Amino acid sequence: AQSVTQLDSQVPVFEEAPVELRCNYSSSVSVYLFWYVQYPNQGLQLLLKYLSGSTLVESINGFEAEFNKSQTSFHLRKPSVHISDTAEYFCAVTNRGGYQKVTFGTGTKLQVIP
Amino acid sequence: GAVVSQHPSWVICKSGTSVKIECRSLDFQATTMFWYRQFPKQSLMLMATSNEGSKATYEQGVEKDKFLINHASLTLSTLTVTSAHPEDSSFYICSAIEGRETQYFGPGTRLLVL
Repeated sequence: AQSVTQLDSQVPVFEEAPVELRCNYSSSVSVYLFWYVQYPNQGLQLLLKYLSGSTLVESINGFEAEFNKSQTSFHLRKPSVHISDTAEYFCAVTNRGGYQKVTFGTGTKLQVIP
Repeated sequence: GAVVSQHPSWVICKSGTSVKIECRSLDFQATTMFWYRQFPKQSLMLMATSNEGSKATYEQGVEKDKFLINHASLTLSTLTVTSAHPEDSSFYICSAIEGRETQYFGPGTRLLVL
């Protein structure tokens, strides 16, 4: 069994300030890790993913996440947020080695304050 | 990137009627698609895994006779909510796998049963 914990349900941050959204996972086997973003009344969009290789992965809009195996974490960071980053962010995990079910965290609402 | 569409984007129906939601992978073939349900301010709840050419696998607690899933081709899966009732009102999201590990999500269908 695997689980994902997003401790912060809401994160308010001022525009142009840095932000970190925390994600910790639990699994008995090796995993793939994902961050998805959901804008109001829309589906989820893949933001970035860690499959293998470099533990630091980046998205095209300035977000990055680092896979830390020892701490079982995959925190999402952005050095300077914009109003348009206001959305719900979901961390997700799936087991390696053939398709397995994806487990989602409960989500973190990022509220960027002008 | 991989694109998944859903139709309709929203639907309002009377209690007792059936509603069909379509999920299509537009630029890739998906042998596996997934159907999720999302309640307000909550994470996604996996309802079922849809495999092309075979019966869907339902999660525990999901009524297979209530939520009929058909995956007739490599690009189309449908979810039919039969005899819908107000408690079935929700946001339904589908996803499809490209490759073996990454899910791409549709924009969602909001169902309101009166």
